[in-house]
Amino acid sequence: QVQLQESGPGLVKPSQTLSLTCTVSGDSISSGGYYWNWIRQHPGKGLEWIGYIYYSGSTYYNPSLKSRITISLETSKNQFSLKLSSVTAADTAVYYCARAGGDTAPFDYWGQGTLVTVSS
Amino acid sequence: QSALTQPASVSGSPGQSITISCTGTSGDVGGYNYVSWYQQHPGKAPKLMIYDVSKRPSGVSNRFSGSKSGNTASLTISGLQAEDEADYYCSSYTSDSTVFGGGTKLTVL
Repeated sequence: QVQLQESGPGLVKPSQTLSLTCTVSGDSISSGGYYWNWIRQHPGKGLEWIGYIYYSGSTYYNPSLKSRITISLETSKNQFSLKLSSVTAADTAVYYCARAGGDTAPFDYWGQGTLVTVSS
Repeated sequence: QSALTQPASVSGSPGQSITISCTGTSGDVGGYNYVSWYQQHPGKAPKLMIYDVSKRPSGVSNRFSGSKSGNTASLTISGLQAEDEADYYCSSYTSDSTVFGGGTKLTVL
């Protein structure tokens, strides 16, 4: 059974960089075939796709966030990470990591989500 | 403002059927057969219910079905049950991202 778990600070100051890690169990992120995604949900709002990384290390980001995002792999720990720079209160959200079987495939496994609040 | 338009809320009585619409454009819903639907209970992660417009993942009840006509996709839930009460989100592949709808709150009366 594939499981994903987000971790990272729950509070980030404005203008700083938000950093989250997703730990994957039950599947190897370096085995190929899957796209590892970050998705966020603003409080009481809908979902927003942030971007993905493939096992090869290639990435693709939401054009609206592209200038501030970095997604990377740490295959030795079976983890992938998100960095979002220059955060503001508008970046306060629940952040999910999720797996997809391709760039057109649905998100079939999700982490439980972690709330990140941007506040001084 | 979400890229895909869903009604804010729908309701139905147990045993009835309801349909949730998801309207996009030719650049997303209308242009690709890559529409998915997710169910989200409060405080929980979304769960995949429908993918590729009308396919059901293993383990999802056949009471859930999906369809598409032009730029509008639809999720139909038949034989409503209390456990179906949740938020539902559609999503679609586009050439430069994945976009979601704003979500629909389903109330089972």
